[in-house]
Amino acid sequence: EAAVTQSPRNKVTVTGGNVTLSCRQTNSHNYMYWYRQDTGHGLRLIHYSYGAGNLQIGDVPDGYKATRTTQEDFFLLLELASPSQTSLYFCASSGLGGHAEQFFGPGTRLTVL
Amino acid sequence: QQKVQQSPESLIVPEGGMASLNCTFSDRNSQYFWWYRQHSGEGPKALMSIFSNGDKKEGRFTAHLNKASLYVSLHIKDSQPSDSALYFCAVTSSSGSWQLIFGSGTQLTVMP
Repeated sequence: EAAVTQSPRNKVTVTGGNVTLSCRQTNSHNYMYWYRQDTGHGLRLIHYSYGAGNLQIGDVPDGYKATRTTQEDFFLLLELASPSQTSLYFCASSGLGGHAEQFFGPGTRLTVL
Repeated sequence: QQKVQQSPESLIVPEGGMASLNCTFSDRNSQYFWWYRQHSGEGPKALMSIFSNGDKKEGRFTAHLNKASLYVSLHIKDSQPSDSALYFCAVTSSSGSWQLIFGSGTQLTVMP
């Protein structure tokens, strides 16, 4: 079974603060994704990557940066956090593109006060 | 842009009953359809995929796809309390990225 881990699991910050969410997958998958989950909206794609150094913009990218440093590691950066970014964030990976099965991490709950 | 809508928002069925979850999408060029399930406190997990019109059965779960009607559904036979979860329909976008677009989910509760 594919393994995706995320850290931290919970994070509280203040408006204007900097936050980095980390994701690691150990399945040699090419694709990695960052989603946010909000009630009534399902999962919305923020950024994704198909390899180290690559970054693609998702559907809700405003206020977020991301970086893929290695095949295993994908980071989501909030440089000036706002209360609207309070959400549950999931990282996922897949071997092929978006039409293939995605394996999700356990999630990070972020609260911006 | 692709729109994916699920109904109902929540569903309560008795143990042993049939649960039916519905999903409509807007892009007729969509090709790949997934159902994901998320138990409380966990990340979503793929339940099953369906890529061709018709029915696909995997154990107690049956997915139905009708591309002409822009409709996909999931039916759970002999529902168990362990099936209680949030169910997402996910459909590929036909834009160049072919990424998945998720619906807002159906919360299923199976009552013992």
